[in-house]
Amino acid sequence: SQQGEEDPQALSIQEGENATMNCSYKTSINNLQWYRQNSGRGLVHLILIRSNEREKHSGRLRVTLDTSKKSSSLLITASRAADTASYFCATSRDSGNTPLVFGKGTRLSVIA
Amino acid sequence: EAGVTQSPTHLIKTRGQQATLRCSPISGHTSVYWYQQALGLGLQFLLWYDEGEERNRGNFPPRFSGRQFPNYSSELNVNALELEDSALYLCASSLIVMNTEAFFGQGTRLTVV
Repeated sequence: SQQGEEDPQALSIQEGENATMNCSYKTSINNLQWYRQNSGRGLVHLILIRSNEREKHSGRLRVTLDTSKKSSSLLITASRAADTASYFCATSRDSGNTPLVFGKGTRLSVIA
Repeated sequence: EAGVTQSPTHLIKTRGQQATLRCSPISGHTSVYWYQQALGLGLQFLLWYDEGEERNRGNFPPRFSGRQFPNYSSELNVNALELEDSALYLCASSLIVMNTEAFFGQGTRLTVV
């Protein structure tokens, strides 16, 4: 079953604009991770935020986590055509003995 | 350092046949995870192996099985293939449990005709 649900399903923006993707989940978590997938190939880890953290930055990426609302957002600033990809959130549950559970992803298109 | 490698890249089988997919984790990683990604869908968890043992299993029928070898590489077997098994199969590895980042291979595209 899907734990995370990304919103929107698809997003199209102009190069240089910011892109915001949201993720909602259902159960308590140990951490939440964001991954990127280019053209249906392997996933690349972008950033991990732990349940006791509220915000994290990595380059042009900014992730927030609101455990009270069971939601997270990924912000990509100053987007580039090369950012075109699918973005997935994945949650790791408290037990630590369960695998990462992924959402269905947001398809981001950045138009040059 | 070599990443997670999967073979083959593409695999075409006919309905009813068996498919075998292989995965080599990053050196030092003992956990291997298999996911299925059908077209337009998210990743569905299949199997998790650690130290040669099956640790967890997703909601898939028993014809999906696998194993982990002493060198931590892994094999996913799908018996009695059905058209709906056509998907990208992704393998990932991590240190111990998935409380840190997972490293994914490029996947095996299985097509059942």
